[in-house]
Amino acid sequence: NAGVTQTPKFQVLKTGQSMTLQCAQDMNHNSMYWYRQDPGMGLRLIYYSASEGTTDKGEVPNGYNVSRLNKREFSLRLESAAPSQTSVYFCASRLLELEQYFGPGTRLTVT
Amino acid sequence: SQQGEEDPQALSIQEGENATMNCSYKTSINNLQWYRQNSGRGLVHLILIRSNEREKHSGRLRVTLDTSKKSSSLLITASRAADTASYFCAANTGNQFYFGTGTSLTVIP
Repeated sequence: NAGVTQTPKFQVLKTGQSMTLQCAQDMNHNSMYWYRQDPGMGLRLIYYSASEGTTDKGEVPNGYNVSRLNKREFSLRLESAAPSQTSVYFCASRLLELEQYFGPGTRLTVT
Repeated sequence: SQQGEEDPQALSIQEGENATMNCSYKTSINNLQWYRQNSGRGLVHLILIRSNEREKHSGRLRVTLDTSKKSSSLLITASRAADTASYFCAANTGNQFYFGTGTSLTVIP
């Protein structure tokens, strides 16, 4: 039981490049989330998926797209990376109205 | 922004002392959750308090909630060096979570 896994762990992009962050959970959770964490800002919700087949915008969705591929996987795509998207990205999942389980994070730098 | 705030931003105490951190949030909630984050790691859930509860205990943790003031506090009793981490509150409105800015706790052995 791996919990929530994220790939890659680290990534450096040039401005304008695209990439997809992958997230998978093996706990049969319904809801999945993508956050970004910037210094002094706490976590801010980018997108979430309350169930397979649905996605909704969070607090800071601009510049990102998501896909809930199946119940296990939820990916985050940056179509044209910008330096303002330099951050640590966390994926999380949860069952019903309970607590979230977080992945280890992806540290992204955009130059 | 719906992001909450935590107070203090940083706290340094001696091992064995109690640590109290406070959280304010801006929206109506279903529940309020507290998480811990060790340096370079993901967040780990500590405790959840529902909107109709006022106080909850779990081991050395005590959480209070005042929905009229939109505030919560986390008390860690008899702190240990291993409690050194950042602590975040998260206001849960149903599908969405609004995290506070975090309190960095250092426990000196």
